[in-house]
Amino acid sequence: DAGITQSPRYKITETGRQVTLMCHQTWSHSYMFWYRQDLGHGLRLIYYSAAADITDKGEVPDGYVVSRSKTENFPLTLESATRSQTSVYFCASSESDRSYGYTFGSGTRLTVV
Amino acid sequence: GENVEQHPSTLSVQEGDSAVIKCTYSDSASNYFPWYKQELGKGPQLIIDIRSNVGEKKDQRIAVTLNKTAKHFSLHITETQPEDSAVYFCAASISGNTPLVFGKGTRLSVIA
Repeated sequence: DAGITQSPRYKITETGRQVTLMCHQTWSHSYMFWYRQDLGHGLRLIYYSAAADITDKGEVPDGYVVSRSKTENFPLTLESATRSQTSVYFCASSESDRSYGYTFGSGTRLTVV
Repeated sequence: GENVEQHPSTLSVQEGDSAVIKCTYSDSASNYFPWYKQELGKGPQLIIDIRSNVGEKKDQRIAVTLNKTAKHFSLHITETQPEDSAVYFCAASISGNTPLVFGKGTRLSVIA
């Protein structure tokens, strides 16, 4: 199916563990983004990518690592999870530029215990 | 960098009434202002957007207005229906050059 998919939908992990959230899009969109959504903070940008092998930091990048070896995939890794990283994570893609026409995935709810 | 403030954080209206959500932005260079709707358990979805060369844009029951001098923009929903209940986010960016910066969201409840 065409679209943008995130996996897993739900994840519980322990403090200090490494966890990777997956994002896959089928359109070959150039731009991909990771946002986190927290009550009282809205959507905050973690990292984004303009193309394969090109990534840039967003507003809240600390504690996260991204890679983009293929255009369609943009995984987000928490190297050593902390409770403050408990959140809902959204991946998005855009065909043309950094701001227009975002399509969001359905999100991953991550709980760090 | 850009900062977007959104008000109110929650809004309840009777079915059929109008709803207005307001946002202000800080960077005078911003020129693209989209609005997203997020239903429960889903990702945000673009519902309408406006660029700085336009003061108002309408799409059926939804309209967005922009005041560049005051650096604020608003979402207007008329004849609200229960299916309009959702969280709405405003955002701003320098079109094509910067990622979207989102407001904190407004939870709209339409009471039947």
